Amino acid sequence: DVKVTQSSRYLVKRTGEKVFLECVQDMDHENMFWYRQDPGLGLRLIYFSYDVKMKEKGDIPEGYSVSREKKERFSLILESASTNQTSMYLCASSWASGVSRELFFGEGSRLTVL
Amino acid sequence: GDSVTQMEGPVTLSEEAFLTINCTYTATGYPSLFWYVQYPGEGLQLLLKATKADDKGSNKGFEATYRKETTSFHLEKGSVQVSDSAVYFCALPPRTGFQKLVFGTGTRLLVSP
Repeated sequence: DVKVTQSSRYLVKRTGEKVFLECVQDMDHENMFWYRQDPGLGLRLIYFSYDVKMKEKGDIPEGYSVSREKKERFSLILESASTNQTSMYLCASSWASGVSRELFFGEGSRLTVL
Repeated sequence: GDSVTQMEGPVTLSEEAFLTINCTYTATGYPSLFWYVQYPGEGLQLLLKATKADDKGSNKGFEATYRKETTSFHLEKGSVQVSDSAVYFCALPPRTGFQKLVFGTGTRLLVSP
């Protein structure tokens, strides 16, 4: 079975702190994604990566950066956390091609910024 | 651009009731269509999919038929259970380029005994 593992299920940070959210997948997927999920807004794409060291901005990249040094690992970085970044963060991965184009998701990381 | 519109929730049903969650899409051509489900405290998982027009996807008693005439992919289940309580997302993958799925806003289903 495909497994996407997010490093922390729950985090509490203070405003201005640097936050790292890590995601590891075990299926050799080329593509990896970071979404945030907020009530009433659904899922919004922050960043995605289609290869090692490659990254593309999603719909809401402001205030975030990412790192992909190895194929299996995709990190989301909040350089200076703010209260409006309190949210559920979901990592996902997929193959680069194929008819189904299914995304496989991790269980999510719920971040609270005080 | 491509978009997905889902009915707003929450949808509240009693056990064994019939479920319909509406989903319509706007896209060029005939893309694949997905339904994802998110159970409480978990990430999203693929529930079912259809890869071409008139296909019917089915899984766990849920069904959805890809209807190109009405650009719809409504999710149905004949008899819901308490364990079906979750958030359901309709999703549209792009036909070309990177796999940036377009998600609907999600519909919360609450099933009471």
